[in-house]
Amino acid sequence: EAQVTQNPRYLITVTGKKLTVTCSQNMNHEYMSWYRQDPGLGLRQIYYSMNVEVTDKGDVPEGYKVSRKEKRNFPLILESPSPNQTSLYFCASSFGGGQSPNEQFFGPGTRLTVL
Amino acid sequence: KNQVEQSPQSLIILEGKNCTLQCNYTVSPFSNLRWYKQDTGRGPVSLTIMTFSENTKSNGRYTATLDADTKQSSLHITASQLSDSASYICVVKGGAGSYQLTFGKGTKLSVIP
Repeated sequence: EAQVTQNPRYLITVTGKKLTVTCSQNMNHEYMSWYRQDPGLGLRQIYYSMNVEVTDKGDVPEGYKVSRKEKRNFPLILESPSPNQTSLYFCASSFGGGQSPNEQFFGPGTRLTVL
Repeated sequence: KNQVEQSPQSLIILEGKNCTLQCNYTVSPFSNLRWYKQDTGRGPVSLTIMTFSENTKSNGRYTATLDADTKQSSLHITASQLSDSASYICVVKGGAGSYQLTFGKGTKLSVIP
């Protein structure tokens, strides 16, 4: 089944404790992206990747890191989480980039709480 | 600054009725516009994607329109069902080689029996 998977789905942690949220897709998509969603603010893009070893900042990259060493995986790293990073996180992937209108597939979401 | 504004913020309709959601954008240059449906706590699911040259696109009971001149789009839902209760998000992709997406904040639709 074609899908985007995220792990963990739920995470409660404490301020300053490094964490990684994994994202994997099995559709051979070039483009992958991370978003956070907060009440009243909608989805905001954190980082995106056009292909392996190619990443770029979205609208709210502060406090986050990403890497794209393999085409299928795009982990989101919080080196020193803070309470303002408590949010619902989504990973997404699609074919192509640039002018491509290809459909973007979203993962199920990771609900992160930082105490 | 690129912006996508959706209206109304929320809407309650009776099952079986039709409704129309609005999306206005300032993104320029324009590449395409997407409508997503998001059930509470789940990832968005694509309904339609329209490019500059497309005026109307349907997906079952969902019909999206696009007026690239006025930078407006609408999503019309026909014969609503309880399962249509969700947030509907308008997303605009800019052109000129960028893959930046600008998201609207969504319209929360509640369909009641």
